[in-house]
Amino acid sequence: GQQLNQSPQSMFIQEGEDVSMNCTSSSIFNTWLWYKQDPGEGPVLLIALYKAGELTSNGRLTAQFGITRKDSFLNISASIPSDVGIYFCAGTNTGNQFYFGTGTSLTVIP
Amino acid sequence: NAGVTQTPKFQVLKTGQSMTLQCAQDMNHNSMYWYRQDPGMGLRLIYYSASEGTTDKGEVPNGYNVSRLNKREFSLRLESAAPSQTSVYFCASTLGRLSYEQYFGPGTRLTVT
Repeated sequence: GQQLNQSPQSMFIQEGEDVSMNCTSSSIFNTWLWYKQDPGEGPVLLIALYKAGELTSNGRLTAQFGITRKDSFLNISASIPSDVGIYFCAGTNTGNQFYFGTGTSLTVIP
Repeated sequence: NAGVTQTPKFQVLKTGQSMTLQCAQDMNHNSMYWYRQDPGMGLRLIYYSASEGTTDKGEVPNGYNVSRLNKREFSLRLESAAPSQTSVYFCASTLGRLSYEQYFGPGTRLTVT
């Protein structure tokens, strides 16, 4: 299957700091998505991106669809304790097969 | 509006036993999916159903079968469980038709001993 590489694997930050993470692929995608997963729960969709170069915000979260279509970025501004969790990127071309990254684990220190 | 529901939440099987994981969505979505999630790995697609009446293999289909019972329900069957199938299983759905926002159920934690 296609490999999506997420970095960093884990982050420990102080409350109030901004966070950046990224996801790269060996193949191009038409759609990139970002999810957050809390322990014992299913992933929750944060942002969907449909166009290369697109920048989309959802509250304090901003995601970008890379211009090469092989990468995507997620930023979280002014982190708060409830931002703790694992963030996954995913890519798809047809909506049939979705490929997921291995996740970035975020810890926010109050 | 419950979204995507899955049953059971937890299950323990012995090697060789069979079971069916149930999934239902009430969002009138066309496409449904089954994933497994293992420690340190992202979600991997087992099977998907692009529309009622169709199913296709994903990345890791071996040892599984699926049934798209109707538009709402998509079940995953393990005919002869193996320890390698110990995992957390997630069902998901999308509207489809160029709308790819995927919504997940709460998961089933399966242990095969």
